[in-house]
Amino acid sequence: AQSVTQPDIHITVSEGASLELRCNYSYGATPYLFWYVQSPGQGLQLLLKYFSGDTLVQGIKGFEAEFKRSQSSFNLRKPSVHWSDAAEYFCAVGASTNAGKSTFGDGTTLTVKP
Amino acid sequence: DAGITQSPRYKITETGRQVTLMCHQTWSHSYMFWYRQDLGHGLRLIYYSAAADITDKGEVPDGYVVSRSKTENFPLTLESATRSQTSVYFCASSIVQAGYNEQFFGPGTRLTVL
Repeated sequence: AQSVTQPDIHITVSEGASLELRCNYSYGATPYLFWYVQSPGQGLQLLLKYFSGDTLVQGIKGFEAEFKRSQSSFNLRKPSVHWSDAAEYFCAVGASTNAGKSTFGDGTTLTVKP
Repeated sequence: DAGITQSPRYKITETGRQVTLMCHQTWSHSYMFWYRQDLGHGLRLIYYSAAADITDKGEVPDGYVVSRSKTENFPLTLESATRSQTSVYFCASSIVQAGYNEQFFGPGTRLTVL
C-alpha cells in the first residue's frame, strides 16, 4: 500500500527566508507525486506534480520540488517566502494501479513571521 | 464558470437527521471523490467513483452513502448524522491520464452535527 509522511506538523519561517517542506513516500513502483496548498477556508489547489522526466519540477507561486528516488522523498522548496504563503501544504502520491486515488499526507502548516 | 462546486458551504444539523452534501463539476471528469478533513487526520477518503453508476468505498465509509447517476454530480448522504461526523467535507474530481491523477477540489462544506 502506498503511504505519505510529512514529518513536520508545523513550520514557522520569517518572510524572505527560504523554505523546505519534507515529504517521504512509500510505494513499490514509480509514484506520481503532488504538492497541494490549502489556504484558510479554501479547498486544496495543486502547486506542482511529478510523474516522469526531470526530477526537479517547477510549480506555481515560485515553488519547486525535487524527486529523489533513493531517499523516497519529494521535498517542496521556495527560495524566499512571502506572507501570503502562509497555508497548509499537503503532499500526495498517486498511482496508475490505484483506481485514480491519491494518498495524502497529514499536512504541514506554514506560519510566516513578518 | 467551469469548475467544481459544493453546496451548502455551511450546514448545522442535529444528531439522527439525514443530510445530503452536493457536489457538481463541469469538466466531465470521470473520477470523483469525497474526503473529510479533521484536525490531526489530514484528508481521509470516504467514497470515490470512477464513472457514473460506479462507486466504491474509501478509508472511512461507515455512516455515509453516495450515488452517481450523472457524471457531473456526486452527492454524499449522511443517513443518520452523528457528532463524530462533524467535519469539513471536500469533493474532488480527476481525470486519469497515463495513470496519473491530478485532483481538483471544491471549496468544502463545513458540517456541524449537534
